[in-house]
Amino acid sequence: IQMTQSPSSLSVSIGDRVTITCRASQRIGTFLNWYQTKPGKAPKLLIYSASNLQGGVPSRFSGSASGTEFTLTISNLQPEDFGTYYCQQSYKTSYSFGPGTKLEV
Amino acid sequence: QVQLVQSGAEVQKPGASVKVSCKASGYTFSDYYTHWIRQAPGQGLEWMGWIHPKTGVTNFAPNFQDSLTMTRDTSNSTVYMELSRLTSDDTAIYYCAREKIGETYYGIDVWGQGTTVTVSS
Repeated sequence: IQMTQSPSSLSVSIGDRVTITCRASQRIGTFLNWYQTKPGKAPKLLIYSASNLQGGVPSRFSGSASGTEFTLTISNLQPEDFGTYYCQQSYKTSYSFGPGTKLEV
Repeated sequence: QVQLVQSGAEVQKPGASVKVSCKASGYTFSDYYTHWIRQAPGQGLEWMGWIHPKTGVTNFAPNFQDSLTMTRDTSNSTVYMELSRLTSDDTAIYYCAREKIGETYYGIDVWGQGTTVTVSS
């Protein structure tokens, strides 16, 4: 299953509302997660099952799904939100990550 | 607390193998798959495979079918990832991570600190 993300990079400002889109090459139900990565740190799970907020993650992060299209929204962007975001699908026994979206100042 | 602690950095020559360990603590080891994911310099995340803690059954991405081995030591809550026939393309940070087994899906929620593997002659 191939995952695509758009945009590949995004220039943003503090306080912005950000939307990242991920598309799957076939239907995967809601087996879709979102991760944040920062240099030198392990990835961090933000959203699981397309729309469920992981414990400890700020409520400004949200996820939604429509068919094979998934969206991560960050409202009121904070300084600590800069990094690269990846979607990841785990339909049946197949897992794969999207190519990532880099948020830049 | 819940954590996955990986072994230290490795430097290997092309054609050699590398074995990285991942020790789980703070949770019931047998309730979670252990995954391995890597990130090459300047590249994205690449899923490699998982191992079932009770049965030892493995599931690998197609790219790793011939070069990857995963084993586990249930008495020590430790999973091992061995990658053989290394090339420079295998230079990356390797992460282990857990995913709960069961009908309810929670994603890959806890990650190890990462192990840097460098392949160089």
